[in-house]
Amino acid sequence: QSALTQPASVSGSPGQSITISCTGTSSDVGNYNYVSWYQQHPGKAPKLMIYDVSNRPSGVSNRFSGSKSGNTASLTISGLQAEDEADYYCNSYTSSMTQVFGTGTKVTVL
Amino acid sequence: QLQLQESGPGLVKPSETLSLTCTVSGVSISTSSHYWGWIRQPPGKGLEWIGSIYFSGSTYYNPSLKSRVTISVDTSKNQFSLKLSSVTAADTAVYYCARHVWFGRQFDPWGQGTLVTVSS
Repeated sequence: QSALTQPASVSGSPGQSITISCTGTSSDVGNYNYVSWYQQHPGKAPKLMIYDVSNRPSGVSNRFSGSKSGNTASLTISGLQAEDEADYYCNSYTSSMTQVFGTGTKVTVL
Repeated sequence: QLQLQESGPGLVKPSETLSLTCTVSGVSISTSSHYWGWIRQPPGKGLEWIGSIYFSGSTYYNPSLKSRVTISVDTSKNQFSLKLSSVTAADTAVYYCARHVWFGRQFDPWGQGTLVTVSS
């Protein structure tokens, strides 16, 4: 199975909004609303930020939001803060009854 | 509070079998109605799903690893385990266990991860 495609890096200034894309196919992202997003700081375990495309777990800032259009899911971080600098990964269920992660995106706060 | 902790050897020789255990605390695996998963991350690289198991023993595996992977569950110890056979240097990674809320859906929470190095 091929990894979902994410941009290698995205950057923004404090207070700005950035969007990370996650592109799959009609066999994964495009056919299921089971896309989740994870934040990973260096040396730490991933943390769930968004599930089922656009739902935010309790305790996650409302500056994080998710959406989907066709085969592409997106994570938007608004009001960018220094603490948001991390790697971000998407994940989707697939029609082969497997899970697939995205290639990962490094977010830099300028 | 649900917590997961990986344990096992940090060094495995090439061609041998990697064995890790994930101990779950704060919830009973047999009554939680969740799946439990393994994910790995080679140094400096991205995340790769290895497989997931239900307390009944039902499993799903990554097709690219399926021939070498076995995931099992021990409800009496509230643990689930990973075995990866015939390892090579390419299997060197941080291995994470996580609650797989339901198969197809999110992983939350995650264990802290354990680095396994394959080297002679």
